[in-house]
Amino acid sequence: DAGVIQSPRHEVTEMGQEVTLRCKPISGHDYLFWYRQTMMRGLELLIYFNNNVPIDDSGMPEDRFSAKMPNASFSTLKIQPSEPRDSAVYFCASSWTMNTEAFFGQGTRLTVV
Amino acid sequence: GENVEQHPSTLSVQEGDSAVIKCTYSDSASNYFPWYKQELGKRPQLIIDIRSNVGEKKDQRIAVTLNKTAKHFSLHITETQPEDSAVYFCAASSNYGGSQGNLIFGKGTKLSVKP
Repeated sequence: DAGVIQSPRHEVTEMGQEVTLRCKPISGHDYLFWYRQTMMRGLELLIYFNNNVPIDDSGMPEDRFSAKMPNASFSTLKIQPSEPRDSAVYFCASSWTMNTEAFFGQGTRLTVV
Repeated sequence: GENVEQHPSTLSVQEGDSAVIKCTYSDSASNYFPWYKQELGKRPQLIIDIRSNVGEKKDQRIAVTLNKTAKHFSLHITETQPEDSAVYFCAASSNYGGSQGNLIFGKGTKLSVKP
């Protein structure tokens, strides 16, 4: 397996535009996590899924953020409309089951200007 | 929900010295405590983990200890080397309750090992 795959690796967008981040978890992993990393806040858990079902989205900062997992091999994190304060590195991670090693993707560096 | 506090935020040691990073957690139902290392510009990667039925675990130069009563756990790195320089994150996760399987991270410790 190629590991967790995220796209794009870098995204620069203008304020107000819609941004969609994509993630392909490791095959067979039941858990998928979305994190946002900034210097100030560290690694914040935004939302996580178990068997494609969202379990806890309390970390999603605002209604501008939404996440979906239509099937076991794909998830998206959407920001609409984007704002400069959304600039961060967004990581997707997956794990085989709960309380096991989470494997991170390479991350998407988002810059909103 | 779970809250994980990590200290110190930065740590500088001389090569060969030991480094200790400490974390506390708030949810007594948490039972899985991994540690991740993140090198500059790279993804976090697991280096060691411990479960609540174990008090200590060691892997070569790295050890973790867990005190469930006090709700704190620590990472110990002995004989530090320059390649240990990175940001280290602790995390906690529970398999009980409505947020079972969540994985909450501390804010990280930037470790610098000076040759």
